[in-house]
Amino acid sequence: GQQLNQSPQSMFIQEGEDVSMNCTSSSIFNTWLWYKQDPGEGPVLLIALYKAGELTSNGRLTAQFGITRKDSFLNISASIPSDVGIYFCAALQSGYALNFGKGTSLLVTP
Amino acid sequence: EAQVTQNPRYLITVTGKKLTVTCSQNMNHEYMSWYRQDPGLGLRQIYYSMNVEVTDKGDVPEGYKVSRKEKRNFPLILESPSPNQTSLYFCASRPSSGGVSYEQYFGPGTRLTVT
Repeated sequence: GQQLNQSPQSMFIQEGEDVSMNCTSSSIFNTWLWYKQDPGEGPVLLIALYKAGELTSNGRLTAQFGITRKDSFLNISASIPSDVGIYFCAALQSGYALNFGKGTSLLVTP
Repeated sequence: EAQVTQNPRYLITVTGKKLTVTCSQNMNHEYMSWYRQDPGLGLRQIYYSMNVEVTDKGDVPEGYKVSRKEKRNFPLILESPSPNQTSLYFCASRPSSGGVSYEQYFGPGTRLTVT
């Protein structure tokens, strides 16, 4: 599959701080998905994006589908300890396999 | 509750002993797939199925088999497991490409150790 470049690889922040992460690619995609994975568990879908420029929120999480369709961003506002985990982006062209980023590991200290 | 289930959650086995990991979804999804997750390598697709009796190789299919006799089930078969298949395995499902939603849901994972 196509490579998704996800950054940063890891983040270590204090409770209450805002978090930003992103995924970029050289390919154009029709769908972007953001997942969170707790240790030893399956990824859980957080947000799905279907249109270029789309901005979607889920509680303290906000994600955007880049206008070029080659990137996506996830922001977490006012982080709390339970936000700890690995966040993955995934992207789909049309009817084919999902491409995944390598993940952003988030650590939040109280 | 809409979900993807996998069994077993944990499995320790020996080299060469055939095993099957089951996967089932209750969302009437056409598309199902298997991934393995290894440190530093991320999620890699093993096999996928677009619908009943339609399966195809993903990025790392060697040493694995699958079958899709029913829409809800997609078992992963390791005919002769080897230590390099020690990994965390995930089953996933989503609607087919003909729909408007491509939201893919994952099972809870199966931790496999081959000694």
